Amino acid sequence: DAGVIQSPRHEVTEMGQEVTLRCKPISGHNSLFWYRQTMMRGLELLIYFNNNVPIDDSGMPEDRFSAKMPNASFSTLKIQPSEPRDSAVYFCASSFGGAGANVLTFGAGSRLTVL
Amino acid sequence: KQEVTQIPAALSVPEGENLVLNCSFTDSAIYNLQWFRQDPGKGLTSLLLIQSSQREQTSGRLNASLDKSSGRSTLYIAASQPGDSATYLCAVYPGAQKLVFGQGTRLTINP
Repeated sequence: DAGVIQSPRHEVTEMGQEVTLRCKPISGHNSLFWYRQTMMRGLELLIYFNNNVPIDDSGMPEDRFSAKMPNASFSTLKIQPSEPRDSAVYFCASSFGGAGANVLTFGAGSRLTVL
Repeated sequence: KQEVTQIPAALSVPEGENLVLNCSFTDSAIYNLQWFRQDPGKGLTSLLLIQSSQREQTSGRLNASLDKSSGRSTLYIAASQPGDSATYLCAVYPGAQKLVFGQGTRLTINP
């Protein structure tokens, strides 16, 4: 298995632009998580899906952020409009059975810079 | 609110030394604890997962211990190598699908 695949690896955009980050989880995993990592705040859980259904989005910072999982093999995280404070590395992770029960596998991350 | 602390924030040791990384958490009501490794510019790689009923887990040169009552975990690395240089994060699972991460310890092994 190629692991969790994220794209793009790097994104530089200007404030106000729409940003879409993509994730392909490991085949057979039924839980998917979006995390954000910054130096100041460390790793923060934004949202997680179980069987393609959003279960908890309480970590999503504000309405500018939205996430979808149209099928078991694809998820997107969208920021519209983007702001400089959104600059961070965004990680997607997947597992079978949930973050606590089993090992969580992370993607390589998408580094976002908003100018 | 569960908080996870890792001290020190950075550690530099010569190759070959045995070392211990520390992790403490404020609420002992956890289901398990995981140790991750993160290389620069990369994602996290799971190293060890210790269930709340377990006291330790071993994988190769790595040994992780868990003392729930005192809210502590340690990651022991034997015979350190330059390839062990990375940031090590611990995360506790208090439930509700939310892992709570520490800020990590940045480890440098000097040849």
